[in-house]
Amino acid sequence: ETGVTQTPRHLVMGMTNKKSLKCEQHLGHNAMYWYKQSAKKPLELMFVYSLEERVENNSVPSRFSPECPNSSHLFLHLHTLQPEDSALYLCASSQDLLTGVGYTFGSGTRLTVV
Amino acid sequence: AQSVTQLDSQVPVFEEAPVELRCNYSSSVSVYLFWYVQYPNQGLQLLLKYLSGSTLVKGINGFEAEFNKSQTSFHLRKPSVHISDTAEYFCAVTPSGTYKYIFGTGTRLKVLA
Repeated sequence: ETGVTQTPRHLVMGMTNKKSLKCEQHLGHNAMYWYKQSAKKPLELMFVYSLEERVENNSVPSRFSPECPNSSHLFLHLHTLQPEDSALYLCASSQDLLTGVGYTFGSGTRLTVV
Repeated sequence: AQSVTQLDSQVPVFEEAPVELRCNYSSSVSVYLFWYVQYPNQGLQLLLKYLSGSTLVKGINGFEAEFNKSQTSFHLRKPSVHISDTAEYFCAVTPSGTYKYIFGTGTRLKVLA
């Protein structure tokens, strides 16, 4: 148990479906992140939230929509995805944005778009 | 802009042998440096970090890394590896005082019996 829990662990969805990824942390952290991990590519930062406010939207297509209802929960809403969106989606948290203590990552959601 | 290079995509090594995983970075400002490990079907776990001070940093599971400013390197080492160290290892850098981590492409360490 890493302290950051992601559900579901695996998701297969069609290009016309709508689904949501969930991330939950009870570490008392104030910053939460979504990353995309594709094979042979560096991790890509998608979204950053600090104290429930979005501080980064890293040129992510609008078919990905984040939501942070409180400091413990982060969602990634998905709709009309493309096959190239298949990847491992990782949620992470940190005490604050500007500390150097590093992230705590969840185990990820393996997304396959068919 | 910052960048991170992990030159070796795969490193095979026999059990109980030493290993070094290389990481080089480029940055015009001071940075924090990190190594993360990712076991199969899991997220990334922080191994160690360098923020300031002593250039030799010790982490979990017997790993250590040395920050070399002149060579802009932060190589990860372990004197004797175990089968359980088989995983992917990621080097990351962030400019001091920001949250924008730059990750390398990873090095897959395979420990052979």
